[in-house]
Amino acid sequence: QKEVEQDPGPLSVPEGAIVSLNCTYSNSAFQYFMWYRQYSRKGPELLMYTYSSGNKEDGRFTAQVDKSSKYISLFIRDSQPSDSATYLCAMKRPEYGNKLVFGAGTILRVKS
Amino acid sequence: DAGVIQSPRHEVTEMGQEVTLRCKPISGHNSLFWYRQTMMRGLELLIYFNNNVPIDDSGMPEDRFSAKMPNASFSTLKIQPSEPRDSAVYFCASSLVTSGKDYNEQFFGPGTRLTVL
Repeated sequence: QKEVEQDPGPLSVPEGAIVSLNCTYSNSAFQYFMWYRQYSRKGPELLMYTYSSGNKEDGRFTAQVDKSSKYISLFIRDSQPSDSATYLCAMKRPEYGNKLVFGAGTILRVKS
Repeated sequence: DAGVIQSPRHEVTEMGQEVTLRCKPISGHNSLFWYRQTMMRGLELLIYFNNNVPIDDSGMPEDRFSAKMPNASFSTLKIQPSEPRDSAVYFCASSLVTSGKDYNEQFFGPGTRLTVL
């Protein structure tokens, strides 16, 4: 079993829809949770990160962490065609140093 | 400011040949990471360095892979001999690690797309 599970999709939605992207994980020691966005043929770029449980909002993006369920989510409101990309969740344990564990990534397509 | 620079961007080689991938981290960053991305396995950490010293190479798949960081501005990932199953996109990332801070953002380069025939 992988430490971090993420449905690869693809997820196809119409422009303006609310998008929900999710990851589950198996190790309760993870404390830092990140979402990266990767456009085709580019490197991943950090979108948001959260520490421990709770919500964090940044514009149209909201990240949620539920440590009791070992479940994290990224919501995108009013999705745009420019949001079409692969979204990767990543996690970090303090004792791992700077090592991140990534999910497989979910391909999102927003149709205009 | 220039981001992480990787070269070459594309590499096509034949099985058995030596391949060298290069990375220049963001100036001032003290931590460097090499990742491999494939459809089957996703994004995997191969090795990372702190202050030019390898810290964790547990992700290096086998002895055919080696990485060096001779100075703070340059790192190489070498595959010798290369095999078709090494075909992937290889990313380099860098980060500024500061004491007392548990999380430090990693900045990724554009990647090197390697095809081994």
